[in-house]
Amino acid sequence: GAVVSQHPSWVICKSGTSVKIECRSLDFQATTMFWYRQFPKQSLMLMATSNEGSKATYEQGVEKDKFLINHASLTLSTLTVTSAHPEDSSFYICRARDRFKISGANVLTFGAGSRLTVL
Amino acid sequence: QKEVEQNSGPLSVPEGAIASLNCTYSDRVSQSFFWYRQYSGKSPELIMSIYSNGDKEDGRFTAQLNKASQYVSLLIRDSQPSDSATYLCAVNPWSGNTGKLIFGQGTTLQVKP
Repeated sequence: GAVVSQHPSWVICKSGTSVKIECRSLDFQATTMFWYRQFPKQSLMLMATSNEGSKATYEQGVEKDKFLINHASLTLSTLTVTSAHPEDSSFYICRARDRFKISGANVLTFGAGSRLTVL
Repeated sequence: QKEVEQNSGPLSVPEGAIASLNCTYSDRVSQSFFWYRQYSGKSPELIMSIYSNGDKEDGRFTAQLNKASQYVSLLIRDSQPSDSATYLCAVNPWSGNTGKLIFGQGTTLQVKP
């Protein structure tokens, strides 16, 4: 089945530094990548949607200059949290859409998630 | 504002019982509905999808959809301790097939041996 490899699975960084999270589709081409953030005991909140070769579309309230999303190829999308602060500590999850499977949200694949802790 | 509401729980049931999880949504034009299971520290995994009013069964799981009342539920029969997790309801309230979803906050299920 479709696999999305997400790295790192967890990261601890100092306040003010930048952290890059990668999601790679291993056996399919991901035309669309959704990036979510999940705080403890809360729902997955969609941050942005990226399409390969295009600029990401950010949800209301998400700072595009703070959360940089790059989707330059069909197999790799990255989320960079710039100048991270403790309030950015969260679980970040990507979700990829297969280029050749367009029917329904059930064909999308989640990455394993990245736990970010900012000290 | 498109919203999906779930009781956060925890819902505690004894092993072998039926667990009933409920979800309501605000947008009447929603067409597709999903239940995900999420273990602590892990990403969600899809359990069921449902698109039409009525029941849909898959093994021990049954999803129920009532568009008129704007609710969707998940029944888990013969609950097992391994079913203990957070169950997320997700809805696609947009037209088209973008794959974009809105998630509820999840209901924590505890199955006690």
